Amino acid sequence: EVQLVESGGGLVQPGGSLRLSCAASGFTFSSYAMSWVRQAPGKGLEWVSAISGSGGSTYYADSVKGRFTISRDNSKNTLYLQMNSLRAEDTAVYYCAKGLLPYGDYSDAFDIWGQGTMVTVSS
Amino acid sequence: SYELTQPPSVSVSPGQTARITCSGDALPKQYAYWYQQKPGQAPVLVIYKDSERPSGIPERFSGSSSGTTVTLTISGVQAEDEADYYCQSADSSGTPVFGGGTKLTVL
Repeated sequence: EVQLVESGGGLVQPGGSLRLSCAASGFTFSSYAMSWVRQAPGKGLEWVSAISGSGGSTYYADSVKGRFTISRDNSKNTLYLQMNSLRAEDTAVYYCAKGLLPYGDYSDAFDIWGQGTMVTVSS
Repeated sequence: SYELTQPPSVSVSPGQTARITCSGDALPKQYAYWYQQKPGQAPVLVIYKDSERPSGIPERFSGSSSGTTVTLTISGVQAEDEADYYCQSADSSGTPVFGGGTKLTVL
């Protein structure tokens, strides 16, 4: 079964840091671009960041550029999101999502999503 | 920044056809994708590449494209289709963009 399981969310103070993880199973992880997508409470979906299958290319939304870092460990089938200098507006459920096609573009559809992990930035 | 525009809400009676639109200047050049999200759940892909349906998605879900507008059509709407629906595409640089979402209410 293809599955993504996020972890690492929690409550953090403004200016703090948090690292999210996404454990993948059931598919050849290294063949697929992966993304993080977030959803603020009661709001819509917002793409945050993406990484190519090899990890050699990374992409960021302007809202997180310079503060967040995406990475992956293909030997552990795990995706990460290091979040620094967190702000109240970063409060959201963070989903990891798998690209639809092997060796596909990072702007492709997301066919598998994790259950999400909640990040709350508050003092 | 690039925007995809969806109506905030659409209401239909069971058995009728629901149409949800998504408008964006780059849609003639970029594929569109559609997701269904029920409360407390992760999004589910229901349409990719404008009109393709993933395996396991009921045939009543279909997609179409015309110029700067793409449309998700749900034929014979069922109560279980009540959900939020989001379109996704990309801007000219390839950055993924989501529409604001449409709440489908089944009366």
